[in-house]
Amino acid sequence: AQSVAQPEDQVNVAEGNPLTVKCTYSVSGNPYLFWYVQYPNRGLQFLLKYITGDNLVKGSYGFEAEFNKSQTSFHLKKPSALVSDSALYFCAVRDYGGSQGNLIFGKGTKLSVKP
Amino acid sequence: DTGVSQDPRHKITKRGQNVTFRCDPISEHNRLYWYRQTLGQGPEFLTYFQNEAQLEKSRLLSDRFSAERPKGSFSTLEIQRTEQGDSAMYLCASSLTGQGNYEQYFGPGTRLTVT
Repeated sequence: AQSVAQPEDQVNVAEGNPLTVKCTYSVSGNPYLFWYVQYPNRGLQFLLKYITGDNLVKGSYGFEAEFNKSQTSFHLKKPSALVSDSALYFCAVRDYGGSQGNLIFGKGTKLSVKP
Repeated sequence: DTGVSQDPRHKITKRGQNVTFRCDPISEHNRLYWYRQTLGQGPEFLTYFQNEAQLEKSRLLSDRFSAERPKGSFSTLEIQRTEQGDSAMYLCASSLTGQGNYEQYFGPGTRLTVT
């Protein structure tokens, strides 16, 4: 069965420092991977995706993610964190078990950026 | 493009009552998904439509749940005889089929509280 794991419940970073939010996946075929961000009382916002091609994927708000097939990881990164980046981040993988590709989400990682 | 909208944003109901939620997807999107999110968890897939056809349902979708998308545009999710365990955020997402278009765009959600 397809799954994603986000090993950290919370990540704390000082403003201006680089940030990494970790994600590992388990899929039966080629992984289609996604990152979403959720602000309080709001829906999920799409940040970026990996389907194929370059292992380094760039997305919205200065975020990027690195796909690593050998480590089955898809970590989210940003060179310089902002206080406004504080939110809940979800990694997701396309479900090959379903017929039309619904997403399977991790439990989320709370990112806290302090001034 | 006004994004995915959901109505109501909040619903408080007594156990045993029926509730109905509405989702309006992005206008040109042919795929519509319903997810449920509980506190501390990522969204979990409930059901999926392509145009007006409901093509997949999760085992999470008990017989008390029904969803429709009568004209291939907006969708409704009804929960009959609500239980306290139904309390959650119900998220709607839409997407457009096409090469590379695998990301889903989410609405703000409907938060259901069953007392």
